[in-house]
Amino acid sequence: EVQLVEAGGDAVQPGGSLRLSCEASGFIFSHYWMHWVRQAPGKGLVWVSRINSDGSNITYADFVKGRITISRDNARGIVYLQMNSLRVEDTATYYCARGMSGSPWFDPWGQGTPVTVSA
Amino acid sequence: QSVLTQPPSASGTPGQGVTISCSGSSSNIGRNYVYWYQQLPGTAPKIVIYKTTHRPSGVPDRLSASKSGTSASLAVSGLRSEDEADYYCAVWDDSLSGPVFGGGTKLTVL
Repeated sequence: EVQLVEAGGDAVQPGGSLRLSCEASGFIFSHYWMHWVRQAPGKGLVWVSRINSDGSNITYADFVKGRITISRDNARGIVYLQMNSLRVEDTATYYCARGMSGSPWFDPWGQGTPVTVSA
Repeated sequence: QSVLTQPPSASGTPGQGVTISCSGSSSNIGRNYVYWYQQLPGTAPKIVIYKTTHRPSGVPDRLSASKSGTSASLAVSGLRSEDEADYYCAVWDDSLSGPVFGGGTKLTVL
């Protein structure tokens, strides 16, 4: 079964840091792009970042540039999202998803990991 | 403010049909495939339409989708209670060089 399992979400203060992880199973991880998408409470989906199959091509949404770093470990089948200088508006459930180049095809999605940023 | 515009809500009674629209521009819907995601309450999104009109295996043929110019739509026929969910359109935006989502439409089965 193709599966993604996120972890690492927590409650932190503004300015804090978190590292999210997403462990993949059931498919050849090193063949796929991986994405992070977030959803603030009661709000819609917002794409955050993507990384290509070997980690050489990375893109971020403008609102997180300079504060977030995506990376992957193909040997372990894990994609990471390092988040620094967290803001209240970063509060959201963060989903990882398997994807493709140049396409909003995301399948499957993980169950999501919640991040709360508050004083 | 989403790049793609969806109505915030839609509704219908069991057995009826409903259509959800997604309006974009020439840099996204006008030139690229549209994808649709269903998010049941409390769960992660799930793809229900890919490449504008195609259904993944397991998605009922009561769901169909189309595109015309810079707008797309998702139609749900024969509404059932299990269709009650949030639906999001998504498309690659050439100007932004990234994927964008619509704001989502909450479908209620009355």
